[in-house]
Amino acid sequence: AQTVTQSQPEMSVQEAETVTLSCTYDTSENNYYLFWYKQPPSRQMILVIRQEAYKQQNATENRFSVNFQKAAKSFSLKISDSQLGDTAMYFCASDTGTASKLTFGTGTRLQVTL
Amino acid sequence: KAGVTQTPRYLIKTRGQQVTLSCSPISGHRSVSWYQQTPGQGLQFLFEYFSETQRNKGNFPGRFSGRQFSNSRSEMNVSTLELGDSALYLCASSDRGLAGGGTQYFGPGTRLLVL
Repeated sequence: AQTVTQSQPEMSVQEAETVTLSCTYDTSENNYYLFWYKQPPSRQMILVIRQEAYKQQNATENRFSVNFQKAAKSFSLKISDSQLGDTAMYFCASDTGTASKLTFGTGTRLQVTL
Repeated sequence: KAGVTQTPRYLIKTRGQQVTLSCSPISGHRSVSWYQQTPGQGLQFLFEYFSETQRNKGNFPGRFSGRQFSNSRSEMNVSTLELGDSALYLCASSDRGLAGGGTQYFGPGTRLLVL
């Protein structure tokens, strides 16, 4: 079984600043995938970034990047140059390589302020 | 490509009734998964269908069921509704193949309220 833990229920950051959201996971699988999803007030779940566990290089998507520490089972999300539109609930999730069955953390509510 | 669509978007039912939710995946995606989101339990996996076959099932009672059609569209059904079934139901489609490793893309969800 997989577990995902997000220890920061809420965070706040000023516009244009950088913020890092934490996530730890546990899995017995050798092949797995990690994701960050964003859920704004509209409740639409939007993919932010994906990381394959077998890749050592950290994934990046424009202003979003991850710090993937496989041995520590840590997968943090860094948002650079924060924008008001980044205000949302952020979920860390894991999936095995053989199933489309995401295990989610409890989420971090991020507020971007002026 | 058009995204994942779900109908209806909002639904109000009473206890004991049944409900059917529909999900149309992204064109070409053969895997469809369903999730329940509640304030108390968070996001929980219900089941996954791949090429009309249920491949994985979460820990939900038998009142929750689903199916997938040959065009990959999926439906989930909840019978004998309970107050605790009030939730946002999210459908996701994946470009996952038989070997696994896909990325799930979510629809806008169906918000179900049971009175």
